[in-house]
Amino acid sequence: AQSVTQPDIHITVSEGASLELRCNYSYGATPYLFWYVQSPGQGLQLLLKYFSGDTLVQGIKGFEAEFKRSQSSFNLRKPSVHWSDAAEYFCAVGARAAGNKLTFGGGTRVLVKP
Amino acid sequence: DTEVTQTPKHLVMGMTNKKSLKCEQHMGHRAMYWYKQKAKKPPELMFVYSYEKLSINESVPSRFSPECPNSSLLNLHLHALQPEDSALYLCASSQDGVGTDTQYFGPGTRLTVL
Repeated sequence: AQSVTQPDIHITVSEGASLELRCNYSYGATPYLFWYVQSPGQGLQLLLKYFSGDTLVQGIKGFEAEFKRSQSSFNLRKPSVHWSDAAEYFCAVGARAAGNKLTFGGGTRVLVKP
Repeated sequence: DTEVTQTPKHLVMGMTNKKSLKCEQHMGHRAMYWYKQKAKKPPELMFVYSYEKLSINESVPSRFSPECPNSSLLNLHLHALQPEDSALYLCASSQDGVGTDTQYFGPGTRLTVL
């Protein structure tokens, strides 16, 4: 069975500073990986996804993520954080054999200091 | 357009009430999902419909009854709920639910059970 771990529950970052959110997955075959963002009381918005190919994936809102098979990681980065990036971020892994079920990590809450 | 709409945005109901949540998408997707999300937790899958047939039921209590009248609509009928069922209910859709395709989420319905 697949699993996802987001080691950081909370991260506080100053506006304009860089941000990196960690995601580690466990899955026996090629994973399908996603990052979603959720603002308070809202639904989830897809930031980016990785299925295959280039291991550095570009997403919306200036985010990127890098897939590292050797480390079972899919970390999310942004070079310069804006106050509007304050939200909950979820990493998720999908499995072809599991009927398209997504397994989510526990989430990382990002706080942005002015 | 990657929009999934959900109504109502907020719902307050008593334990003896019967109510329904509605989800709609016009992206031509053939798979639709219901998730339950408690505060500070990731979404938990409840049901999956693929080509208007229930394909996954994650052992959800029978007081939750899903319905997929057509490929664009998904309902969740609620009856005799408990206070612990209070949560954000998210709907999502994807291309076909076969293999791993991208799920797009609606804004959710905030349910409070008194």
